[in-house]
Amino acid sequence: DGGITQSPKYLFRKEGQNVTLSCEQNLNHDAMYWYRQDPGQGLRLIYYSQIVNDFQKGDIAEGYSVSREKKESFPLTVTSAQKNPTAFYLCASREQGYNEQFFGPGTRLTVL
Amino acid sequence: EDQVTQSPEALRLQEGESSSLNCSYTVSGLRGLFWYRQDPGKGPEFLFTLYSAGEEKEKERLKATLTKKESFLHITAPKPEDSATYLCAVPTYNNNDMRFGAGTRLTVKP
Repeated sequence: DGGITQSPKYLFRKEGQNVTLSCEQNLNHDAMYWYRQDPGQGLRLIYYSQIVNDFQKGDIAEGYSVSREKKESFPLTVTSAQKNPTAFYLCASREQGYNEQFFGPGTRLTVL
Repeated sequence: EDQVTQSPEALRLQEGESSSLNCSYTVSGLRGLFWYRQDPGKGPEFLFTLYSAGEEKEKERLKATLTKKESFLHITAPKPEDSATYLCAVPTYNNNDMRFGAGTRLTVKP
């Protein structure tokens, strides 16, 4: 089955730690996205990538980093510089020429 | 600036009680309006794309409509399994990402 997978489903981080969230897709989509979702707010864009080895900052990129070494993979690192990282993180992908984005199941990150 | 506003924030219905959710948008050139369903703790599930005023799309008990300023998601005779948060979104002017509304949390009581 084609789709987007995110791991882990739940992640706990101690203060000062960096953590990496995984996102993999087998849809052969060119574009991939990372969003953050907080209660009562719309999804906010962290980073996006239109092609391999290229990515752009979204609205709230501070404290996050990404890489896009393979078309299928777009990992997100939440660094210790992100002051309020507790949130639900969603990865999405889009096929070139279409506007619809398709989402993974999400990772809930909690800072202890 | 592209903006999306959804209302109401929350809606409670009795099973069988039809209603509508609203999505108002301001964009510089509409390149589609998207509706998603999101269950608690899960990623959004794509429902519909609407591209032009007057367009309608249907799926089971859901019907989405579009005008030049807003979209409605009509829910006819809802069932408890329709309970979810419904999100709408529009592509940004450069089409690099989408602007999402905060969602409407729908609860359908048996």
